[in-house]
Amino acid sequence: EIVLTQSPGTLSLSPGERATLSCRASQSVSNYLAWYQHKPGQAPRLLIYGASSRATGIPDRFSGSGSGTDFTLTISSLEPEDFAVYHCQQYGSSLLTFGGGTKVEIK
Amino acid sequence: QVQLVQSGAEVKKPGASVKVSCKASGFTFSTYYIHWVRQAPGQGLEYMGIIKPSGGSTRYAQKFQGRVTMSTDTSTSAVFMELSSLRSEDMAMYYCARDMSLRGVNYVFDIWGQGTMVTVSS
Repeated sequence: EIVLTQSPGTLSLSPGERATLSCRASQSVSNYLAWYQHKPGQAPRLLIYGASSRATGIPDRFSGSGSGTDFTLTISSLEPEDFAVYHCQQYGSSLLTFGGGTKVEIK
Repeated sequence: QVQLVQSGAEVKKPGASVKVSCKASGFTFSTYYIHWVRQAPGQGLEYMGIIKPSGGSTRYAQKFQGRVTMSTDTSTSAVFMELSSLRSEDMAMYYCARDMSLRGVNYVFDIWGQGTMVTVSS
């Protein structure tokens, strides 16, 4: 099973600041990595797939990068609605797995 | 509007079974695979398996083999996930999610249901 480790666990930032979230895989997943945003009481929302492709309707302040084992989700300038938990997910192996999540909270 | 709407919260005793429904609307039900994912309190997301709505073929994560059954009713555009022999560790929010690939599978989920909370308590 491929283990995804997300860091930091919590990121405390102010609106307008840049957020950088990391997702590290225990073995290579090529570019088969997705990112989701999850707010309490809501369904998760697909942000990024294929490590760097934005999903339909996702603002360009969200960007993904990386390949192999190291991936990054960057939010260039935080909007109030961006404070949420972010999950990474790999689909490069037969058993897909998720990271533990990074909470982006208001400082 | 493209959406998946799930059934309401459930409270079950240990050893019982639970069946959660997920009704699709706003898209052609038969052309997208549906997955199930769960999240226990304070834990990360966990993949359970996949069903092809037309035909009903399934593939389950090994952890749930023998305890989970996924099914479909094309007449109502609904899929179902039944988990048996419930234990306290199964207490979680259960989500259905649509695969983003049209007529195929790529294991990326573009539409999610709102979630169904399953509580397991004696």
